[in-house]
Amino acid sequence: DAGVTQSPTHLIKTRGQQVTLRCSPKSGHDTVSWYQQALGQGPQFIFQYYEEEERQRGNFPDRFSGHQYPNYSSELNVNALLLGDSALYLCASSTRLATYEQYFGPGTRLTVT
Amino acid sequence: AQSVTQLDSHVSVSEGTPVLLRCNYSSSYSPSLFWYVQHPNKGLQLLLKYTSAATLVKGINGFEAEFKKSETSFHLTKPSAHMSDAAEYFCVVRRDSNYQLIWGAGTKLIIKP
Repeated sequence: DAGVTQSPTHLIKTRGQQVTLRCSPKSGHDTVSWYQQALGQGPQFIFQYYEEEERQRGNFPDRFSGHQYPNYSSELNVNALLLGDSALYLCASSTRLATYEQYFGPGTRLTVT
Repeated sequence: AQSVTQLDSHVSVSEGTPVLLRCNYSSSYSPSLFWYVQHPNKGLQLLLKYTSAATLVKGINGFEAEFKKSETSFHLTKPSAHMSDAAEYFCVVRRDSNYQLIWGAGTKLIIKP
């Protein structure tokens, strides 16, 4: 049983560009959450998707958007990249009834230059 | 507002000695608390969870945590450290209003041979 997978593992972008990160949840999970983890800090909640809709959102600007597909996979899009967007982006999946028990992917390391 | 405070940014112990990672929380009601571990270049993994059942919670890899309401603490312990325990550990509380996870800043556990 594959766990949570994310792609790509690393990428480098320039300020002002746009980026799309992808996540496939663990088998049997229908809820996907995205987190940003800056160096030396704990993860910060970006948003959560369930039934192809954004259900909850953390304190992130509209430059951060997402999508969930019918197969429960998800994308995180960031527009107009800033240097401060450099971080590890983590995807976590869970079931709708147990969102506290989240399974994390290895993350995508985004560097903005 | 609910929050968690991890009292040590780094903890260094010798292999075979006990581990204590400290976490205090603030929460209006009986909280749901979690410990996650993050090994280098790997995803976050749930170690254990407290959800209003027994106050002493046993997790994976020999870790356990005790919920102490009077002290608002949820410290993580292990009787004997192993080299493979070297990682970053996060204490997490679930927000009552929307079930979002609120993360501590993390404690880096260093194991000396």
